[in-house]
Amino acid sequence: QKEVEQNSGPLSVPEGAIASLNCTYSDRGSQSFFWYRQYSGKSPELIMFIYSNGDKEDGRFTAQLNKASQYVSLLIRDSQPSDSATYLCAVNPDNFNKFYFGSGTKLNVKP
Amino acid sequence: DAGVTQSPTHLIKTRGQHVTLRCSPISGHKSVSWYQQVLGQGPQFIFQYYEKEERGRGNFPDRFSARQFPNYSSELNVNALLLGDSALYLCASGTGGVGNTIYFGEGSWLTVV
Repeated sequence: QKEVEQNSGPLSVPEGAIASLNCTYSDRGSQSFFWYRQYSGKSPELIMFIYSNGDKEDGRFTAQLNKASQYVSLLIRDSQPSDSATYLCAVNPDNFNKFYFGSGTKLNVKP
Repeated sequence: DAGVTQSPTHLIKTRGQHVTLRCSPISGHKSVSWYQQVLGQGPQFIFQYYEKEERGRGNFPDRFSARQFPNYSSELNVNALLLGDSALYLCASGTGGVGNTIYFGEGSWLTVV
């Protein structure tokens, strides 16, 4: 069983719509959760992190965490073509640097 | 402040050769980890160093080794290269501990032919 699971996509949304990206994880004791964006040919860049159950908003991005369901999601409001990338969900079980990554969801935002 | 720097950015090696990849973390960060990312997959953990000590090792063969220097920079060594070692090698810098967040360098693209 993979530690972090994501739908590989591609997820296609029209410009201006809300994109919803989902992720499940297997280690119930995990403490911190992250979303990274990776453009083709580039390295991952941190979008946001969340530690507590509920929602966390940062600009057009909202991360949602439900530890009981072992589920993390990322909402992107007013999606732009520049948001087209692969989004990686990551879990850090022990607060050090061993992060577990999903395989990523490819998002296409169509103009 | 400079971000995470890695070198070289691209390299081509022949099967059986050795490669050394280098990384300098963000100033003030004492934790460095290495990840391998093959096409279509997420990064896979290779090593973590914190305060110059190995704190974790992923499921990689002994051909992979790493170390961290007194200035917290790090290098990843891979011996006896295989075609399957072709990947993007990512160095991640972090503070370690509660609330740790990691930031990646640009990566080193390794092609083994």
